[in-house]
Amino acid sequence: SQTIHQWPATLVQPVGSPLSLECTVEGTSNPNLYWYRQAAGRGLQLLFYSVGIGQISSEVPQNLSASRPQDRQFILSSKKLLLSDSGFYLCAWTLDRSSYEQYFGPGTRLTVT
Amino acid sequence: DAKTTQPPSMDCAEGRAANLPCNHSTISGNEYVYWYRQIHSQGPQYIIHGLKNNETNEMASLIITEDRKSSTLILPHATLRDTAVYYCIVRVHSDSNYQLIWGAGTKLIIKP
Repeated sequence: SQTIHQWPATLVQPVGSPLSLECTVEGTSNPNLYWYRQAAGRGLQLLFYSVGIGQISSEVPQNLSASRPQDRQFILSSKKLLLSDSGFYLCAWTLDRSSYEQYFGPGTRLTVT
Repeated sequence: DAKTTQPPSMDCAEGRAANLPCNHSTISGNEYVYWYRQIHSQGPQYIIHGLKNNETNEMASLIITEDRKSSTLILPHATLRDTAVYYCIVRVHSDSNYQLIWGAGTKLIIKP
């Protein structure tokens, strides 16, 4: 069966510090991968998606970046965090672009102080 | 911007049917309606989706109006574990991929 992991579960970082969040998927090959951010009491905002290694599409201009160094690994990064980067970050995967169900990881709660 | 409108919160008695409404008046002909739910501080969970016809699975039923401008998610026998935020979402086609456009959802509280 397929499993999606995210770490860390929670993170507190000062403004201006770097960020690296990791997401890995097990039990499937060549998944479509997604990074979302969720502000408190809000719906999910798509940040990045990837259809293959090294292929990243950005949906929202910001100081975040994403990379996919391996087939089942998706990394979200920032060189300098802003207060507005605080939120709940979720990684998700689908089998292909037309799959009707996205499978979500447990999420990382980031607080920028 | 979200393409759906939902009430911010609803209550339902345990054992009764929970009916969650959603308006999507600007939906296009080839855009699907999806429902996910999110239990506090967890990742969202897929429930059901549909295009034109009513759909039913082991979790819920989805009723879509004939003009497709609104839909209702029905949880037939709500339990306390169904307490969650329920998101009505429109899936749109963008470039080479499909995107789920999320709104703020409805917080459903099941009361004993």
